[in-house]
Amino acid sequence: DTGVSQDPRHKITKRGQNVTFRCDPISEHNRLYWYRQTLGQGPEFLTYFQNEAQLEKSRLLSDRFSAERPKGSFSTLEIQRTEQGDSAMYLCASSFLVPTDTQYFGPGTRLTVL
Amino acid sequence: AQSVTQLGSHVSVSEGALVLLRCNYSSSVPPYLFWYVQYPNKGLQLLLKYTSAATLVKGINGFEAEFKKSETSFHLTKPSAHMSDAAEYFCAVSDLGQGGSEKLVFGKGTKLTVNP
Repeated sequence: DTGVSQDPRHKITKRGQNVTFRCDPISEHNRLYWYRQTLGQGPEFLTYFQNEAQLEKSRLLSDRFSAERPKGSFSTLEIQRTEQGDSAMYLCASSFLVPTDTQYFGPGTRLTVL
Repeated sequence: AQSVTQLGSHVSVSEGALVLLRCNYSSSVPPYLFWYVQYPNKGLQLLLKYTSAATLVKGINGFEAEFKKSETSFHLTKPSAHMSDAAEYFCAVSDLGQGGSEKLVFGKGTKLTVNP
């Protein structure tokens, strides 16, 4: 068990560019979550997958954001036309499909938009 | 919707002293509560969780928390602080969303400093 991995760990981009992050969950975990954490704040929920189905999206997830989880394995989070306000740590977590099972977090991808 | 308030964004203790990090929650249903720790440049690690079993929950690294329904609190304690406990601590409540997502709602965090 290698834990949840995220790639890249750091991303610096210019405003208006598109970026894509990848998350590899713990194998056999059915659920995959994306959170965003800004400086001085706790993580905030963005979206959630159960297997390949995206079942919930937060109001924080504007139409510039899109997430996928093809084949119910890894997931990608894409931000189009990045804005400075998108600068944050993007966290991925995964869990089994049982109520209140522990969500295991990856190390995060830190995005800086210049 | 559920919410979490962590009192004190910064807490400083001496090595060997009691650690007390405060968390109060708001929930319309019986809550599930969690404490996570985040070390610099690391992901969140679960310390302990309350899921309606025993009200006193023991976690890793000597931490424990007590669920008090009457006070809507879930404070985190450790009898004796160690230098390695210096980190940021987050309290979270499970918010049952659409499709049973059980997404977590986090507090703003408390940064713990341990002085030698």
